[in-house]
Amino acid sequence: SQELEQSPQSLIVQEGKNLTINCTSSKTLYGLYWYKQKYGEGLIFLMMLQKGGEEKSHEKITAKLDEKKQQSSLHITASQPSHAGIYLCGADRNTGNQFYFGTGTSLTVIP
Amino acid sequence: DSGVTQTPKHLITATGQRVTLRCSPRSGDLSVYWYQQSLDQGLQFLIQYYNGEERAKGNILERFSAQQFPDLHSELNLSSLELGDSALYFCASSPEPDRIRYFGPGTRLTVT
Repeated sequence: SQELEQSPQSLIVQEGKNLTINCTSSKTLYGLYWYKQKYGEGLIFLMMLQKGGEEKSHEKITAKLDEKKQQSSLHITASQPSHAGIYLCGADRNTGNQFYFGTGTSLTVIP
Repeated sequence: DSGVTQTPKHLITATGQRVTLRCSPRSGDLSVYWYQQSLDQGLQFLIQYYNGEERAKGNILERFSAQQFPDLHSELNLSSLELGDSALYFCASSPEPDRIRYFGPGTRLTVT
C-alpha cells in the first residue's frame, strides 16, 4: 500500500467552486510538500509545510498540515481552468534520505 | 521555469538498447534526484546524488545507473531497455539534501 494516500483520486469542478484535496500519511511526517503537474510536463513546487498546524497560502491555494492526524489538505478557492492538473503531495522519510510522492489527484475545472 | 534542464525532451529507441539522459541542476544546487513516472507506478524515486556522491537509492533497477559530474550535471544511463521502461524520467535539484526539490521538464522515453 502507498505510504501517502491522496483523496479524491480525481475531481471535476465547475469554475468558481472551492475544492479540497487531502494527503494522508501512514508514517510520521517530516515535512510535507505540494506540487502541481500539468499533464506530461514537469512538477511545479507549490508549498512546503514543516510544522504541525502550519498553514501557507499562495494566491488562491491554501495548504495546512495536521501533524497529529498525519494529514495535509490543499484548498483551492474560486477555482479557475488554470488550476487544472495533477496535484501531488510529497514527504521526506526520516531515514535513508528518500523522498516519496502520493498517489496524485487529477483536477479538471470546467469553464 | 524551474532552472533545471533536461535533454533530450523525447527519446524513442528499441528494446535491448542503451540510452543516456542528461540533467543540469539549478545554479548552485548540489543535490540531484532522478525519478521515473509511469502510468501504473506513479512517480518513483530512483537515486540521489549530492556533490558528486551517491546519497540515497530508491527503486532503481540494476540495468540503470547514474552519476554526477564535477560540474554537478548528472546523467542517468538506462541499458538493456525493455518495453516497461517507457516512462517520463524527471530530474530534480535542491541546494542541499532534503530541501525543496525543483523539477526539470522531463525526458519522455519510448521503448519500441
